Amino acid sequence: DAGITQSPRHKVTETGTPVTLRCHQTENHRYMYWYRQDPGHGLRLIHYSYGVKDTDKGEVSDGYSVSRSKTEDFLLTLESATSSQTSVYFCAISSGGSNEKLFFGSGTQLSVL
Amino acid sequence: ELKVEQNPLFLSMQEGKNYTIYCNYSTTSDRLYWYRQDPGKSLESLFVLLSNGAVKQEGRLMASLDTKARLSTLHITAAVHDLSATYFCAVGSSNTGKLIFGQGTTLQVKP
Repeated sequence: DAGITQSPRHKVTETGTPVTLRCHQTENHRYMYWYRQDPGHGLRLIHYSYGVKDTDKGEVSDGYSVSRSKTEDFLLTLESATSSQTSVYFCAISSGGSNEKLFFGSGTQLSVL
Repeated sequence: ELKVEQNPLFLSMQEGKNYTIYCNYSTTSDRLYWYRQDPGKSLESLFVLLSNGAVKQEGRLMASLDTKARLSTLHITAAVHDLSATYFCAVGSSNTGKLIFGQGTTLQVKP
């Protein structure tokens, strides 16, 4: 299994509070991604990173920010959580080669009350 | 804007039957992926298809790609209960590696 660790695995928070999710990899892969999964929507890309301090927006980036200060860590921050951000969040990594797959972490279940 | 659509979204079938899941995408792409997800679990990569006419098979699952029609299929042969899961197709960019996913097809195989 690809070495990807997401933390926390579960979190319950209140509307308006900041929340940070962490993704840690041991594969030294260049690319890292944050997706959210909601029923009927599949997985939607929030933000991604193509190197240290190099990030870009995905399909549903509003209300989220990211940071990548080290190759191995990619942080997703909800500045002021809303109930619409209740979801399962998946981190994924890729080395970026032409035949390369994305490997996914175990996910974080976030509930915003 | 790249969009990916799967159908059907839900499929209930008997063991031993064959069926096909379809994945259509809206713009040109150079790679297509199929993933499997069991309830409450992460996504497991099944296939990567990189060229027109590509066909890959693993056990009872076979995936194909027609880039001209912007269509991929996942064919299930003689389904067994263990294949019950949600299957996602995803279309990717070789520049960024990012994937756009379909909505997923939930497959339920009944004994």
